[in-house]
Amino acid sequence: GAVVSQHPSWVICKSGTSVKIECRSLDFQATTMFWYRQFPKQSLMLMATSNEGSKATYEQGVEKDKFLINHASLTLSTLTVTSAHPEDSSFYICSASVGGSQAEYGYTFGSGTRLTVV
Amino acid sequence: SQKIEQNSEALNIQEGKTATLTCNYTNYSPAYLQWYRQDPGRGPVFLLLIRENEKEKRKERLKVTFDTTLKQSLFHITASQPADSATYLCALEVTGGGNKLTFGTGTQLKVEL
Repeated sequence: GAVVSQHPSWVICKSGTSVKIECRSLDFQATTMFWYRQFPKQSLMLMATSNEGSKATYEQGVEKDKFLINHASLTLSTLTVTSAHPEDSSFYICSASVGGSQAEYGYTFGSGTRLTVV
Repeated sequence: SQKIEQNSEALNIQEGKTATLTCNYTNYSPAYLQWYRQDPGRGPVFLLLIRENEKEKRKERLKVTFDTTLKQSLFHITASQPADSATYLCALEVTGGGNKLTFGTGTQLKVEL
């Protein structure tokens, strides 16, 4: 089945530094990937939609200059948290779909990245 | 405002019983409703998808119903096992919404021996 690989699984960084998270579709091409953030005991909140070869579409309230998204190929999207602060500490998850919901496969999610900013 | 609500309280049931989880939504007209399982510290795993014109869908021990009049979906796990213990999330996808999923708050299920 479709596999989405996400790295790193956890990262600790100092306040003010930047962190890059990678999301790869291993056995399919993903023209669109999605980035979510999940705080403890809360649900997933969509941050942005990443489109291969074009600019990402950000959800309302998400700072595009802080959360840089690059989708340079059909199998790789990256999320860079710039100038990270403790309030950016969260669980970041990416997802992609083989063929949209029409394919009955739903969406495949990465295993998530636990970011802790100290 | 748009809302997707799931039971916030954890559901504890005995092994072998049927677990029933509820997902209610307001101010949405979803084309698809999906159910996911999420284990602690992991990303969600897709379980089932049901379309707006479908009433029920089954997969092994899982069953999903979808009532667009009541704006509600029920998710059933029959013959539940301790390994079914996890958080279950419902998610809506709206036609023309750019294939974006909006998630409910999730319900934690614990199956006890």
